[in-house]
Amino acid sequence: DTGVSQNPRHKITKRGQNVTFRCDPISEHNRLYWYRQTLGQGPEFLTYFQNEAQLEKSRLLSDRFSAERPKGSFSTLEIQRTEQGDSAMYLCASSSPFFGRTTDTQYFGPGTRLTVL
Amino acid sequence: GESVGLHLPTLSVQEGDNSIINCAYSNSASDYFIWYKQESGKGPQFIIDIRSNMDKRQGQRVTVLLNKTVKHLSLQIAATQPGDSAVYFCAETGAGGTSYGKLTFGQGTILTVHP
Repeated sequence: DTGVSQNPRHKITKRGQNVTFRCDPISEHNRLYWYRQTLGQGPEFLTYFQNEAQLEKSRLLSDRFSAERPKGSFSTLEIQRTEQGDSAMYLCASSSPFFGRTTDTQYFGPGTRLTVL
Repeated sequence: GESVGLHLPTLSVQEGDNSIINCAYSNSASDYFIWYKQESGKGPQFIIDIRSNMDKRQGQRVTVLLNKTVKHLSLQIAATQPGDSAVYFCAETGAGGTSYGKLTFGQGTILTVHP
């Protein structure tokens, strides 16, 4: 399978604990995105990487959230001191723009479903 | 704020019928539009996209129509099949600036196809 992969697929944690999710993009895709999706809603943008550089962060990404893409390949999203309101599906997407294009198709992974008790 | 929304939250059709899912957007600077299909427990799956310099694009059994005058997007599915049952989202992104690459999604339409 050469699509976007995410691990773990499910995570149950207690309030106050730290969690870390991993995303492996499609090979050679230089752009990587994180989104959050709550039940019945569309995904909401969290942050975006071009190679290893984090170029944009949403206001939704509080200081308890941190994302990294150290070598421009896989990415991790860490949530510290989890709260019940963090319960959601965390989606990763990747893309590779055509030369000269400013927009491009994002392909999504299966997501990590987080439940904070 | 800028948003992308859907007119109908649910749509039920019979197998073999054509389906039309609608979407309105408010950002006049939107440059690129995508339709995604999401099945339960899975991530969004790309269906078809269209850029603002086009008003129609066809794929396999799907057609996307873009009306920039009224800021309206639609997805047409021909000969709908039970496997098409899912939630459908429209998404948009603007050209350049801080919206560069960031998708804004609508709420979603639940499509149910009855055999």
